[in-house]
This record gives sequence, structure tokens and C-alpha cells, in this order.
Amino acid sequence: DAMVIQNPRYQVTQFGKPVTLSCSQTLNHNVMYWYQQKSSQAPKLLFHYYDKDFNNEADTPDNFQSRRPNTSFCFLDIRSPGLGDAAMYLCATSSRAGTGTDTQYFGPGTRLTVL
Amino acid sequence: GENVEQHPSTLSVQEGDSAVIKCTYSDSASNYFPWYKQELGKRPQLIIDIRSNVGEKKDQRIAVTLNKTAKHFSLHITETQPEDSAVYFCAASRAGGRRALTFGSGTRLQVQP
Repeated sequence: DAMVIQNPRYQVTQFGKPVTLSCSQTLNHNVMYWYQQKSSQAPKLLFHYYDKDFNNEADTPDNFQSRRPNTSFCFLDIRSPGLGDAAMYLCATSSRAGTGTDTQYFGPGTRLTVL
Repeated sequence: GENVEQHPSTLSVQEGDSAVIKCTYSDSASNYFPWYKQELGKRPQLIIDIRSNVGEKKDQRIAVTLNKTAKHFSLHITETQPEDSAVYFCAASRAGGRRALTFGSGTRLQVQP
């Protein structure tokens, strides 16, 4: 019954070598989020898509990019990973409906190691 | 933008005791306040949430209270059990706009058997 799926669960890359993390959802939610979470810290929002509308956080480094080819999939591209980018990357989804605020459902995360 | 402060950062209680975690927020337009539980190496899991049109919500051993005037909300866990040990995050967001969550810094709860 997985609703938000992330692949891979663990990713090891070398310093400067591009890496892509993927997220897919079976909830048909129109909003998808990418968070970075470092050890003992709260999740930090990098960007999100409302449908195809991309919203970047002001302090998200240019090194991080995202693509959403369709409703179900969203990708996080790290163009030149640095040691400081080692973290857990969490994908989440929500459904914007009506005027109320919406629950976010998180995927299991991808733990990125940079060597 | 929204700023959410969470206290305490760590909390240790004996099994069976109650635990209370408090958060304050800065944006008076925020109207949605979820609480997430995150076990080591796992995803954040929503455990309870409250919207600004109510002051309290309860689900078995877990309750959340909201004081809109003071802009703070609290998580109450009664009859704590060892499996309640985890990191708890509060968050806030508002309707309209981007509805992104702003998280508190987290509370590590340890329930001693």
C-alpha cells in the first residue's frame, strides 16, 4: 500500500558527480515537495510543485534542481554534490482541495552519502 | 515568513507519565498545525493535526491544544510507553499561497521503562 515511493533508499555518490533521486506517488496529489533533512534537524523545504508550477525556496542552492514530468513523478537533481549535501532527502505530497490546508504524506526518504 | 519555535529539545519521562511539547508560531495567518513523529531512520509520520477553528483535539493518548491569541500549540501524550520514544516535530502552515509547512526544531522524547 505504499503511497509515496522514493528510489533509491540509499545513494552513494562521489564529490561532484551528479545524482538524481526519484519520487513517485499513487495518491494523485497535485502538490509534491522535496525536503532535505540533516541529522538531528527538522526537514528543510527545498522546493515544491503545485501541479506543474515550480516554487523554489529563496535559500535553496542552485546546485539543486527538480523536474516533474507528470503528476505521479518528481525528481531531485543534485548537479555537483558536495560533502555538505549528505543528508536524508524526503519527498512529500499533498492535495490542494478547497480552502482548507492539507496533510502532507512523506515518502521513506533517500539517504545520500557523498564520498 | 513563518517561524516556529519548539521546546524542549529533549524530554525524558518514565513510562506511564505524561509528556508535553510546546510550540509557538509567528504568522497569525497560520491555520493548520500538524505534529509528526519520526523514529530513527524513518519518515515523519503524521500523528495528529489541528486547524485554527478548534481549540483542542484528542486521539486516544494523544491530544493537541491551540491558543490562537497567544500563537502557541502543544502536544500532550498521556500514559507514555517505550514505543513513544522518537523525535516529534510540530509544524505550521496557512491556507492559500503555497501552503508549505514550517517545522519546529524537534523534540527528542525518551520514555524510560
